[in-house]
Amino acid sequence: LAKTTQPISMDSYEGQEVNITCSHNNIATNDYITWYQQFPSQGPRFIIQGYKTKVTNEVASLFIPADRKSSTLSLPRVSLSDTAVYYCLVYNQGGKLIFGQGTELSVKP
Amino acid sequence: DGGITQSPKYLFRKEGQNVTLSCEQNLNHDAMYWYRQDPGQGLRLIYYSQIVNDFQKGDIAEGYSVSREKKESFPLTVTSAQKNPTAFYLCASTPGGMGQIDGGYTFGSGTRLTVV
Repeated sequence: LAKTTQPISMDSYEGQEVNITCSHNNIATNDYITWYQQFPSQGPRFIIQGYKTKVTNEVASLFIPADRKSSTLSLPRVSLSDTAVYYCLVYNQGGKLIFGQGTELSVKP
Repeated sequence: DGGITQSPKYLFRKEGQNVTLSCEQNLNHDAMYWYRQDPGQGLRLIYYSQIVNDFQKGDIAEGYSVSREKKESFPLTVTSAQKNPTAFYLCASTPGGMGQIDGGYTFGSGTRLTVV
């Protein structure tokens, strides 16, 4: 099971771009990289998933270098409502999700 | 709209009592899961079920029990054998089995259980 490492917390201001990097040195060939967002007293919400290179959707972008040992979640122009905990997970089809502590992002006005 | 409904949102239990947390989904998903979250921590898997009438223990199953008699429902019972049951409980589902790649997991809004 690939272990992930991400910063415990990050601070940002409204309108800034936020990049959260996750390390997963032991990622397996068939593992995918997935990010979830969790607000207080709510369940996590799927944000984005990728295997290699770059993935973009209406919420975020995910950058994955060629060696896939890390990934970066990019949130463009954050607002106060983006204040949440962000989890980086690495797993494959049939594999178990392992949630670490996540990164607590605080967006200030 | 399709989704997962967990009830109640808040639950108080006296020591020595069993309590049952409800989880219902109308997504037609095959697999359902129960997680526990403690303050400042990530989620830990309690039980999961990939088909009706079948379920498996997760990482912290002791003191918990589940049933899966219907595809839509996956109730969790927290028994008196669970020594530290105060936590935030989350139910989730996926269209296919564990480790669903496309579309991710759908989570409910959780039940906060407090032992009084």
